[in-house]
Amino acid sequence: DAGITQSPRHKVTETGTPVTLRCHQTENHRYMYWYRQDPGHGLRLIHYSYGVKDTDKGEVSDGYSVSRSKTEDFLLTLESATSSQTSVYFCAISESLSSTDTQYFGPGTRLTVL
Amino acid sequence: GDSVTQMEGPVTLSEEAFLTINCTYTATGYPSLFWYVQYPGEGLQLLLKATKADDKGSNKGFEATYRKETTSFHLEKGSVQVSDSAVYFCALSSNRDDKIIFGKGTRLHILP
Repeated sequence: DAGITQSPRHKVTETGTPVTLRCHQTENHRYMYWYRQDPGHGLRLIHYSYGVKDTDKGEVSDGYSVSRSKTEDFLLTLESATSSQTSVYFCAISESLSSTDTQYFGPGTRLTVL
Repeated sequence: GDSVTQMEGPVTLSEEAFLTINCTYTATGYPSLFWYVQYPGEGLQLLLKATKADDKGSNKGFEATYRKETTSFHLEKGSVQVSDSAVYFCALSSNRDDKIIFGKGTRLHILP
């Protein structure tokens, strides 16, 4: 299994509070991704990173920011959490952006915003 | 834009039954196609993939063939087990884009 951990694994928070989710990898892969998984929507890309300090938006980036100060860590921040951000969040990594490359996923973080 | 459509679940089968989960795609160019599986409480993991037309991906008794003429990548298994109960995601990755597009997932229940 690829060495990907996510923390916390579960979090309950209140509307309006900031939340930061962490993804840590031990594979030294260049590319990292944050997805959210919701019933009826599958997985949707929030943000991704193609190197230290290099990030870009995905299809559902509103309300989220990311940072990558080290190769191994990719942080997802909800500046002011809303109930619509209740979801399961997955981090993924890949060696390259080749269309043939596989993405490896972390175990997920279940976030509930009350 | 590119998209993936897979059959809605849940799909419920008895152990040792034959499984087919349909997946069709829309894409420009020549995408790579994937099946990912998500077991309860876990992240997604790659089940199999095919990177060009007529390729067959296979793993753990599952197979899928990349059919460009029908834009399909249906997942099949000849004899399912209870341990195959999971959610299955079809996905594509275009060689003109740097992102994977996932279908909505199909939940599979296998009854003993």
